[in-house]
Amino acid sequence: AQSVSQHNHHVILSEAASLELGCNYSYGGTVNLFWYVQYPGQHLQLLLKYFSGDPLVKGIKGFEAEFIKSKFSFNLRKPSVQWSDTAEYFCAVNPNNNDMRFGAGTRLTVKP
Amino acid sequence: EAQVTQNPRYLITVTGKKLTVTCSQNMNHEYMSWYRQDPGLGLRQIYYSMNVEVTDKGDVPEGYKVSRKEKRNFPLILESPSPNQTSLYFCASGLQRNEQFFGPGTRLTVL
Repeated sequence: AQSVSQHNHHVILSEAASLELGCNYSYGGTVNLFWYVQYPGQHLQLLLKYFSGDPLVKGIKGFEAEFIKSKFSFNLRKPSVQWSDTAEYFCAVNPNNNDMRFGAGTRLTVKP
Repeated sequence: EAQVTQNPRYLITVTGKKLTVTCSQNMNHEYMSWYRQDPGLGLRQIYYSMNVEVTDKGDVPEGYKVSRKEKRNFPLILESPSPNQTSLYFCASGLQRNEQFFGPGTRLTVL
C-alpha cells in the first residue's frame, strides 16, 4: 500500500545536537511535501513545504528539509536543537493533488 | 485573526449518545477536512469537503457523518459514539487540498 514512513518513533537529543528526522513516501507522480510540528497540547503548525524548485527548503525556526526524488525522501534537519524544539513532528505528502497523507509522527525530546 | 476554531475542545461522553463537534474557519477556504490522531498512527482523514454541499469519505469514515451547508462550517457528527472513537480530532481548512491550516483539536473520550 502507498504510504508515508517516518522511521524514528522517538528521538532523544541533548541541546545543541544536530537533528535529522527521516521521511520516505511511496507515491509516484507529482508530490507536494510538508513537515508539521505539534507542540505539547497544541495543534499542528506548518514548519516547511516543498512544491517545486530548489529541493533544499528552509522553514521556520531554523529547520530545513531536502527533497531527494530518487530516494522518495524528504528528511527534516536542524543543525542545533533547543529544548523548545521538544514536540512531535509529522511528515505529510500530497500526492498528485489528492488528499494529504501523514506519517505516524516522530516524537522529539530535547534534554536541557 | 485567521483561524480554524473547534468546539468543544474536550468532551467526555458515553456510548451511544449522539454528539457534534463544530468546526469553523474565517479564511474563506473552500476545502475543509476532519482527521483523527491516534498514537502511532499519525493523522487519518475521516471526511473532507471540496466546497459547499460537496463532501466525501476519507480513509476512516465509518461511524461519522459531516455536512457542509455553509462555506465556513464543517461539523463532525457521531450518531452513536463507541469507545473506539476515543481520539484527538482535528479540523483543517485550505484554499486547496495541498495546504491546510489546522484547528486546535478536540479530545474526545467515549466511555
